[in-house]
Amino acid sequence: DAGITQSPRHKVTETGTPVTLRCHQTENHRYMYWYRQDPGHGLRLIHYSYGVKDTDKGEVSDGYSVSRSKTEDFLLTLESATSSQTSVYFCAITEGTGLNTEAFFGQGTRLTVV
Amino acid sequence: AQSVTQLDSQVPVFEEAPVELRCNYSSSVSVYLFWYVQYPNQGLQLLLKYLSGSTLVKGINGFEAEFNKSQTSFHLRKPSVHISDTAEYFCAVSPMDSSYKLIFGSGTRLLVRP
Repeated sequence: DAGITQSPRHKVTETGTPVTLRCHQTENHRYMYWYRQDPGHGLRLIHYSYGVKDTDKGEVSDGYSVSRSKTEDFLLTLESATSSQTSVYFCAITEGTGLNTEAFFGQGTRLTVV
Repeated sequence: AQSVTQLDSQVPVFEEAPVELRCNYSSSVSVYLFWYVQYPNQGLQLLLKYLSGSTLVKGINGFEAEFNKSQTSFHLRKPSVHISDTAEYFCAVSPMDSSYKLIFGSGTRLLVRP
């Protein structure tokens, strides 16, 4: 699992409340990513990070913010959760360089917004 | 921009039969190509990838895929499937830059019947 831990694994929250999901890695990887998985859409990139305090948007970034104050932690925040953000969220890292690069995924966080 | 199309949302097949899962992509830049597998309630695992060189790529668990540049396809094949191959399969592409951002298809559920 490339040392990736997502927390919490399951969460139910109410519409309008803030929610923070955490991705923790133990192997000093530079790149970290947040994806969401929805039926019929596969996985879609929300945000990614290429270093401490260096982040960029993915294709579905609206309504989400991220922070990376330490190499090992990449936080995804929903400032005001909506029902459309009910999804399974996956954190990923990349390991290796050049043509030997490979992405590894965490176990996922199932978020339900009611 | 890139996009990935997996036309078959579900493919039922009998055990020991061959299977092909189809993937077509569109991109204005050169891309790397991948197939991932997801077992129930788990994260994604890399099956195989095409970066360069031979267009026939062999992966884990007896799977292989062939890159066809003229048809912009990267179909996944296995000559004889097992019950344990029942899972969801995702085709993905990544632009050839350092970001390793993955763009996924919507997935194909392979259902292997005894």
